[in-house]
Amino acid sequence: EVQLVESGGGLVKPGRSLRLSCTASGFTFGDYAMSWFRQAPGKGLEWVGFIRSKAYGGTTEYAASVKGRFTISRDDSKSIAYLQMNSLKTEDTAVYYCTRLFYDSSGYVMDVWGQGTTVTVSS
Amino acid sequence: EIVMTQSPATLSVSPGERATLSCRASQSVSSNLAWYQQKPGQAPRLLIYGASTRATGIPARFSGSGSGTEFTLTISSLQSEDFAVYYCQQYNNWPPRTFGQGTKVEIK
Repeated sequence: EVQLVESGGGLVKPGRSLRLSCTASGFTFGDYAMSWFRQAPGKGLEWVGFIRSKAYGGTTEYAASVKGRFTISRDDSKSIAYLQMNSLKTEDTAVYYCTRLFYDSSGYVMDVWGQGTTVTVSS
Repeated sequence: EIVMTQSPATLSVSPGERATLSCRASQSVSSNLAWYQQKPGQAPRLLIYGASTRATGIPARFSGSGSGTEFTLTISSLQSEDFAVYYCQQYNNWPPRTFGQGTKVEIK
């Protein structure tokens, strides 16, 4: 079964750091780009960033709201994607989802989602 | 930035009836449009991509249509498990910085 499981969420004070993990199973992790999304309480979905597969350079891109504070990385040997979040703000409070991406014609589609992990930034 | 606008915000439908959801893009996204379903407390699930291709395991009662700037998701006969929020998302311009704001399908 194809599966993504996020972990690492929790309560953190503003300005602090947190690292989320996304553990994949059931597919060849290294073949896929991976992305992170988030959803603030009662709000819609917001793209956070993504990382290409190593075959495409393993490069990353980020939303403007997190650029310079968040870093996505991957360890293909462990089938894990990471989201390092630094200088956290209260507005980063959300459920964070890890997704698998597959390429369809002009861009990526999020075909597999994890169950999400909750990050609460509060003093 | 492409803006995705969904309508209506809420759709009240009786089980067994047809539901028609709309999504409009502020500029052409060709057929690079996906639909997702999200139930309370759950992650989104991919329903449709390429505007009209059902994802693996998605029942045939879900269908998508449209191209350019106007898209439709149709649920032919609503089942109890279909009451959820539905989001459209364009991927013609990657990354997908924006989703639609969602349409909530509720029981009438």
